[in-house]
Amino acid sequence: QPLLIQPASLSASPGASARFTCTLRSGLNLNTYMIYWYQQKPGGPPHYLLRYKSDSDRHQGSGVPSRFSGSKDPSINAGLLLISGLQSEDEADYYCAIWYIGPEFGGGTKLTVL
Amino acid sequence: QVQLQESGPGLVKPSETLSLACTVSGGSIGSYSWSWVRQFPGKGLEWIGYIYNRGNTIYRPSLRGRVTISADPSKNQVFLTLNSVTTADSAVYFCGRGKDTAMDVDSWGQGILVTVSS
Repeated sequence: QPLLIQPASLSASPGASARFTCTLRSGLNLNTYMIYWYQQKPGGPPHYLLRYKSDSDRHQGSGVPSRFSGSKDPSINAGLLLISGLQSEDEADYYCAIWYIGPEFGGGTKLTVL
Repeated sequence: QVQLQESGPGLVKPSETLSLACTVSGGSIGSYSWSWVRQFPGKGLEWIGYIYNRGNTIYRPSLRGRVTISADPSKNQVFLTLNSVTTADSAVYFCGRGKDTAMDVDSWGQGILVTVSS
């Protein structure tokens, strides 16, 4: 079973909100992990957006708008990335990552804004 | 503003050694962590490892024994060496600078495509 599971794709309309999930493998305690989120556009590197462990332990990347936020859903053992007020420029691949022995990425979710 | 540029051969033969350099301009490489990340043709991302605190390294366990990350502060360069490559090592290789932690990378190179083929 992969360490981090992300849905392959997500679609949403301009102005709407998008909710990305990053589900940790069974047996991993969500509470103990800092979840990192990255945005990657075609041909470019994965740009760091934010990291979230708890409301008191989180960090927003430099220049990242506040409409990007992190959270967790313990009921599904998942880290969440929330984007509000979707814009066409948000269309990209979104990856989560955790530190597990070393840094590990999820498989990524492709966001389509249509 | 710091800029990173990867360089090296775009084609490497199987069983040979892949060697890449990341040249840093607009800032010094001291007091940051420097990572190498690769992206496979199917788009999956993989963190290869990183160097921090002027020489300490962390490597992906599956690559330990084949990978070395080093730095030359006098040249403001970070290096990646991967031995005994196979076609599975074909990927775009990125270098990045970690600010507070290795994983909150605030600057990336544009990436370099490396193909392993005879």
